[in-house]
Amino acid sequence: NAGVMQNPRHLVRRRGQEARLRCSPMKGHSHVYWYRQLPEEGLKFMVYLQKENIIDESGMPKERFSAEFPKEGPSILRIQQVVRGDSAAYFCASSLQGAGQGVNEQFFGPGTRLTVL
Amino acid sequence: QKEVEQNSGPLSVPEGAIASLNCTYSDRGSQSFFWYRQYSGKSPELIMFIYSNGDKEDGRFTAQLNKASQYVSLLIRDSQPSDSATYLCAVSDSGTYKYIFGTGTRLKVLA
Repeated sequence: NAGVMQNPRHLVRRRGQEARLRCSPMKGHSHVYWYRQLPEEGLKFMVYLQKENIIDESGMPKERFSAEFPKEGPSILRIQQVVRGDSAAYFCASSLQGAGQGVNEQFFGPGTRLTVL
Repeated sequence: QKEVEQNSGPLSVPEGAIASLNCTYSDRGSQSFFWYRQYSGKSPELIMFIYSNGDKEDGRFTAQLNKASQYVSLLIRDSQPSDSATYLCAVSDSGTYKYIFGTGTRLKVLA
């Protein structure tokens, strides 16, 4: 499967627990983006990462949320002490090109549906 | 605040007709424009992108861009029931990487 992979596809957590969402970009892509989609709403940008670097995290809530994209392994979106309002679909996208490199087509993974009880 | 606006719909068209989906954006500096299709419960799927004024055709899909009017549209010819989905417009500035998404237009193609 050469597409963007995300796991788990569904994640259930109780309030106060931690959620870890993983994303493996398409082969050859080094640019990863995380988006959140609330029910009946559009996709909202959260963070843009390249290998070992956070390029822009302006869409991330200031507290409880963090992201990384290590040299080896998938990108991780981590949500600490989850609350019910964190329930949403979290999508990861990857692109071959990044900022200032022309049209950066972003290809989306299947998403992780987080439910906080 | 940069915004992308779409009519939420639903837009209902009969099978075989042309579906016309519209999108306006607020940032005059925007350079690249993308159309995604999203089926219920699924992830967005890239249909096509456009960055030059005018029309761009790909199979049954035609994207139209008018930068002066800050308007981009997607035409779907010979609409099929399988085209029923939510269509998301996304706008990206060439100097950045962020996509700003509209809330999407729900299309229903009636058999």
